[in-house]
Amino acid sequence: DAKTTQPPSMDCAEGRAANLPCNHSTISGNEYVYWYRQIHSQGPQYIIHGLKNNETNEMASLIITEDRKSSTLILPHATLRDTAVYYCIVRDRDTGNQFYFGTGTSLTVIP
Amino acid sequence: DGGITQSPKYLFRKEGQNVTLSCEQNLNHDAMYWYRQDPGQGLRLIYYSQIVNDFQKGDIAEGYSVSREKKESFPLTVTSAQKNPTAFYLCASSIDGQGFYEQYFGPGTRLTVT
Repeated sequence: DAKTTQPPSMDCAEGRAANLPCNHSTISGNEYVYWYRQIHSQGPQYIIHGLKNNETNEMASLIITEDRKSSTLILPHATLRDTAVYYCIVRDRDTGNQFYFGTGTSLTVIP
Repeated sequence: DGGITQSPKYLFRKEGQNVTLSCEQNLNHDAMYWYRQDPGQGLRLIYYSQIVNDFQKGDIAEGYSVSREKKESFPLTVTSAQKNPTAFYLCASSIDGQGFYEQYFGPGTRLTVT
């Protein structure tokens, strides 16, 4: 599975959009981009995933660049409860049997 | 409510004792997984099972054992052979073991061995 690179930490003002970047320059054609988050001392929570098209659900939007080498997770109106570590993961849909969680981005939403 | 349960939330053991962590899911998922998380680190895969009565080693299986006798249950035993057992243990499940479907995680068990 392709490796990902994320900034270690970010801040965001409450009510503003949080844009979390992820680089995955070695991604291959069969690999999906997944986003999870983990609130302190809890299990990771699935947020969204996509292949090449932009995706949106009730939690967030996922923007994938045309060359698929990077993506951005957008939380449109961040709240204090969105403070968590966010993980960007790339996984092969045909052969992947686990999720490789790196150290992610620690997002702090500031009142 | 459907979901994954892990018990207990906190577990304390003396060094040299085996301990079994429980993981149950009522999502009717075929695949189940055990991960370990150390402070400030990402998750590392211990074992996974794609179907009942079958399981595979992950990246850090040494010192651990599992069983998958029922679809809904995937207990993890931390043996005395595990040199650094103190960690946060997370169980997950997915519809199947292929790469497309997301994994859903339980709340975790924090094991402390002294």
